[in-house]
Amino acid sequence: GAVVSQHPSRVICKSGTSVKIECRSLDFQATTMFWYRQFPKQSLMLMATSNEGSKATYEQGVEKDKFLINHASLTLSTLTVTSAHPEDSSFYICSASVPYSNQPQHFGDGTRLSIL
Amino acid sequence: KNQVEQSPQSLIILEGKNCTLQCNYTVSPFSNLRWYKQDTGRGPVSLTIMTFSENTKSNGRYTATLDADTKQSSLHITASQLSDSASYICVVTGYNTDKLIFGTGTRLQVFP
Repeated sequence: GAVVSQHPSRVICKSGTSVKIECRSLDFQATTMFWYRQFPKQSLMLMATSNEGSKATYEQGVEKDKFLINHASLTLSTLTVTSAHPEDSSFYICSASVPYSNQPQHFGDGTRLSIL
Repeated sequence: KNQVEQSPQSLIILEGKNCTLQCNYTVSPFSNLRWYKQDTGRGPVSLTIMTFSENTKSNGRYTATLDADTKQSSLHITASQLSDSASYICVVTGYNTDKLIFGTGTRLQVFP
């Protein structure tokens, strides 16, 4: 079945560091990928929609300069958290759906980001 | 406002018992409803997906029902196992959009 791979699974870094998270669709091409953020015991919150070959669409309240999204190919989207601070610590999850299918969105396994 | 509400917020059951989780939504127009299972520290995994014309969908010990008239869905877990301990999320998609509207989730704990 369709698989979405996310890397790294865990990042611990100092405040001020920029962190890049990769999301890959392993056996299908995804023109659209989604980036979510999840705080403990809360549901997923959509941050932005990543569109291959064009600019990402950000949800209200999400800083586009803080969370840079690049979707340069049909199988890869990246999220870069720039100059990360402790309040950016969270669980980041990406998803993608197989185009023109009735399949549900497939989620990556998430990236646990901890900023010290 | 499009919302998805789930109940109960948390549930504890003994291994082998059955349980039912509830989902109410206000999303309109409606395209489909999905139930996902999310283990701690992992991404959600799809259990079932139903369109407005489907009333029930099964996946092993998981059976989802949908009443599009009352905008309610349930997920029934039969003969629970320890590995069923997870968060179960009801997700609704509106018509003509890829965006998912997530419920708040039900945290299920199965004890031996």
